[in-house]
Amino acid sequence: KQEVTQIPAALSVPEGENLVLNCSFTDSAIYNLQWFRQDPGKGLTSLLLIQSSQREQTSGRLNASLDKSSGRSTLYIAASQPGDSATYLCAVRTQGAQKLVFGQGTRLTINP
Amino acid sequence: EAGVAQSPRYKIIEKRQSVAFWCNPISGHATLYWYQQILGQGPKLLIQFQNNGVVDDSQLPKDRFSAERLKGVDSTLKIQPAKLEDSAVYLCASSSGGLGEQYFGPGTRLTVT
Repeated sequence: KQEVTQIPAALSVPEGENLVLNCSFTDSAIYNLQWFRQDPGKGLTSLLLIQSSQREQTSGRLNASLDKSSGRSTLYIAASQPGDSATYLCAVRTQGAQKLVFGQGTRLTINP
Repeated sequence: EAGVAQSPRYKIIEKRQSVAFWCNPISGHATLYWYQQILGQGPKLLIQFQNNGVVDDSQLPKDRFSAERLKGVDSTLKIQPAKLEDSAVYLCASSSGGLGEQYFGPGTRLTVT
């Protein structure tokens, strides 16, 4: 059974810092991994999707990496801004299954 | 392109009452998902439809929850009777295929008192 863990549960940093969010999963036989952002009271917004054959994906100030062998993914946010404050969730789709299994999320606060 | 629509956005009911949620996926998306997100946790899949057929409902509490997707487009999720532990945000998502990128609606926040 796939399990996804995100550490830390909460993170607070000053504006302008570069930061890394971590995601680990127990079953390395994955099809893809997706990072989402969730603002309070809102649904999920997809940030990046990494296929199992890829090592990383980039979108603007965001970079996500994937290391299947170690069961880890990281989301790197460059030059953080107060508008980046949200909960970040990673989700894994295991090979042979269609459903996404989510971590519990990291609540990020960027202080002006 | 319009996103995933859900209604209502908020609902407060008493335990043992019934409630229904509605979802309209992105046009052309064959796959529709219902997730339950309890406060402080990640979303948990309740049921997945491919067109109007069920692909996965292994985590749906079938004694009280039901869902349907008539004509392979809109979907409704029903809870009857509701329990206190059903208080959560219910998220609907859709994708063009079972392995495609999922797009989420704004969710329905349910409070059971």
